[in-house]
Amino acid sequence: GENVEQHPSTLSVQEGDSAVIKCTYSDSASNYFPWYKQELGKRPQLIIDIRSNVGEKKDQRIAVTLNKTAKHFSLHITETQPEDSAVYFCAARRTSESPRTDKLIFGTGTRLQVFP
Amino acid sequence: DAGVIQSPRHEVTEMGQEVTLRCKPISGHDYLFWYRQTMMRGLELLIYFNNNVPIDDSGMPEDRFSAKMPNASFSTLKIQPSEPRDSAVYFCARLRQRGNTYNSPLHFGNGTRLTVT
Repeated sequence: GENVEQHPSTLSVQEGDSAVIKCTYSDSASNYFPWYKQELGKRPQLIIDIRSNVGEKKDQRIAVTLNKTAKHFSLHITETQPEDSAVYFCAARRTSESPRTDKLIFGTGTRLQVFP
Repeated sequence: DAGVIQSPRHEVTEMGQEVTLRCKPISGHDYLFWYRQTMMRGLELLIYFNNNVPIDDSGMPEDRFSAKMPNASFSTLKIQPSEPRDSAVYFCARLRQRGNTYNSPLHFGNGTRLTVT
């Protein structure tokens, strides 16, 4: 089955610096890669996603890159702010009709701390 | 509000008791997922349903865990008997298919924090 590895597990940066979180996946047939942000005591919320036919996607200060050959994808946050502090999860999903599956498998999370 | 209501928000119970967690997704979803979150193991997929039918329950840890979805707007996750190691936050999440499924993100409820003493 799919396995998603994420690192680092913790990341501390100074406000204004960039942060990069990396994930690798095992199932070469995976075709959807979302990133979720989870603040303390709250639910995971989607911040950006990328499909397998796209190599890079950007949304303001957040960007995600995908390398299908190497089976890894990364989250980049530029000009970090204290409110970016949270746990970030990557995930991978393979949609298949036979066998039937739409499972979204999560990485273990990265705790990002942005210091003022 | 991501359109998923979970209850209760917090549950404290003694070992051996039966626990039932509830999830009410808004209508119009196609898939419903149950995840468990712990510090040690992160977000684990327990089971998911498509059009109220269980598709994959390989993540359900033991026979003590069971899940049902009697209709499109209600699902339960039951643990019986509960054990201290079941303590975790349990999330329900919905997904609505739009064309090809892989274009659809997952939306989580606020979770139920379960503590088994």
